[in-house]
Amino acid sequence: DTAVSQTPKYLVTQMGNDKSIKCEQNLGHDTMYWYKQDSKKFLKIMFSYNNKELIINETVPNRFSPKSPDKAHLNLHINSLELGDSAVYFCASSQQREGEQFFGPGTRLTVL
Amino acid sequence: KNEVEQSPQNLTAQEGEFITINCSYSVGISALHWLQQHPGGGIVSLFMLSSGKKKHGRLIATINIQEKHSSLHITASHPRDSAVYICAVTRDDKIIFGKGTRLHILP
Repeated sequence: DTAVSQTPKYLVTQMGNDKSIKCEQNLGHDTMYWYKQDSKKFLKIMFSYNNKELIINETVPNRFSPKSPDKAHLNLHINSLELGDSAVYFCASSQQREGEQFFGPGTRLTVL
Repeated sequence: KNEVEQSPQNLTAQEGEFITINCSYSVGISALHWLQQHPGGGIVSLFMLSSGKKKHGRLIATINIQEKHSSLHITASHPRDSAVYICAVTRDDKIIFGKGTRLHILP
């Protein structure tokens, strides 16, 4: 059984569109994260939620909005997509804040 | 200067060699993580440590809090160890990543 799953795996879309990436974890963890890995393979945290409450919001444009309907899900909505949003987005979870991270398989977003 | 520095950036070695990857950080931390990113892109957590040493199979991770330094060692390296190894530190709910070390083990 997949511990942290993301959908879709690949997403190709036009500039200006709005898209969502879904993330689900079945580990019973309290904390979930979104990371962006750019073309140089550098990972950077975007958001962190603990028990559905936002605890980290790095300097990410407000076009990006995370939504946590319950503890097991943290979805990422992106409005008015730009070329620079092209990257691989990873979801992760941990049992507690700053705990060991379990990563999803990643979603490769390409904005044309 | 990045708050988390890894060395070397790239490393190529022969199968069987003992591998060391270093990580230095400049801030106080709650914990340090070693991650492995496979060529296919998947990321796996190898270790999370805040003091001392941990061992898992052929992998050993050490940390020296006073010197703000950690090392990841791989004994009897194998081509399947080829991957990018990423050091990350956590503090105040934040996580900061190093740029990774690309390891290539030749058969």
